[in-house]
Amino acid sequence: GESVGLHLPTLSVQEGDNSIINCAYSNSASDYFIWYKQESGKGPQFIIDIRSNMDKRQGQRVTVLLNKTVKHLSLQIAATQPGDSAVYFCAETDARSYDKVIFGPGTSLSVIP
Amino acid sequence: DVKVTQSSRYLVKRTGEKVFLECVQDMDHENMFWYRQDPGLGLRLIYFSYDVKMKEKGDIPEGYSVSREKKERFSLILESASTNQTSMYLCAIGRTATNEKLFFGSGTQLSVL
Repeated sequence: GESVGLHLPTLSVQEGDNSIINCAYSNSASDYFIWYKQESGKGPQFIIDIRSNMDKRQGQRVTVLLNKTVKHLSLQIAATQPGDSAVYFCAETDARSYDKVIFGPGTSLSVIP
Repeated sequence: DVKVTQSSRYLVKRTGEKVFLECVQDMDHENMFWYRQDPGLGLRLIYFSYDVKMKEKGDIPEGYSVSREKKERFSLILESASTNQTSMYLCAIGRTATNEKLFFGSGTQLSVL
């Protein structure tokens, strides 16, 4: 995952703009990646996932891009809405072990109306 | 819909108290997990269980124990709560052969005074 620190990276975007949230993962053997959204006071919610045999996957208003060469993952949110304000974090894992899920520290997204 | 229920949203305890955090799932999943979440540090695995009465230590088990007497219920126990255990505790299920995602409960924000 990303380098661990005490300060959560933040991203502010204007309502209607596109958002890009980045994540650097650490394990070259990871073959499955997930993006979660966590609203204040709630548990993380699954947004979208991607396997290592893919470079891109699209969902509803969200796209995940995977660059295995530089071990980088990004989440793109189209036409960002106020309801998208939350902490977003990536997770990496491999199919061989169900307990070894590595989570990034997250990015706080604020949408400006 | 997957339902992972944590019994308390907020909990305030005193140093030295024994604390029980309960998690119940309705999906008949074998695997259940306890994480703690601290700002900037991401989610860290405390314990997990892959079957009734089975448990495995995660990355930070010190100061915690768990109990899984029934498949649907996984309890996290703080034998003698300390202030450094003030945190958000998240229960999760998943990571099976057919579904690699983790599904989270709403979390319990524990404050130890």
